[in-house]
Amino acid sequence: EAGVVQSPRYKIIEKKQPVAFWCNPISGHNTLYWYRQNLGQGPELLIRYENEEAVDDSQLPKDRFSAERLKGVDSTLKIQPAELGDSAVYLCASSLEGQGRETQYFGPGTRLLVL
Amino acid sequence: AQKITQTQPGMFVQEKEAVTLDCTYDTSDPSYGLFWYKQPSSGEMIFLIYQGSYDQQNATEGRYSLNFQKARKSANLVISASQLGDSAMYFCAMREFSSQGGSEKLVFGKGTKLTVNP
Repeated sequence: EAGVVQSPRYKIIEKKQPVAFWCNPISGHNTLYWYRQNLGQGPELLIRYENEEAVDDSQLPKDRFSAERLKGVDSTLKIQPAELGDSAVYLCASSLEGQGRETQYFGPGTRLLVL
Repeated sequence: AQKITQTQPGMFVQEKEAVTLDCTYDTSDPSYGLFWYKQPSSGEMIFLIYQGSYDQQNATEGRYSLNFQKARKSANLVISASQLGDSAMYFCAMREFSSQGGSEKLVFGKGTKLTVNP
């Protein structure tokens, strides 16, 4: 079974430029998460989707960040414009609700460096 | 307030020995889940083990076991017979419900860097 797929793996951009990350969850997983992991820290949730609906975006900086999950499968996270402080690893995870444990499985992440 | 505390920034262990990674948590919710993830230098978060708050027995998965002490709010990870490939960051996480109702997220600690020496 294929895991969570993310692209690109690495991205270097200059500040004020836009950037987008893509995630394809594990097949059949209805819940998708985007996390940001700063250096030396654990991941922090940005947004959670149940199917195509964003059910928790309270930690998403909406002035510059946006996300979508059309058709309830893959998802895109966008930053426009990027700032120096956005340099981090962006992790996507998915889970299957209703299994009791609802374990989240993570992708390899996208390492973003903003210069 | 910090929900997950990992007090060991770094740990060293000799190959083939056992090691315990500490994790304490804070919640007032009687229903919660505790997870451990491994993050090698490649960056992917790899699920290791899960403990539910109502589980009667400590969770075990191969060489991983969870020392769950509910009254002390601790959920330490024990790795037996350490291998060189175990060198990585280890994160403890707790599942909690979001303020927006019904949804849930994982809250992570800051992690412990484990180094296995040959």
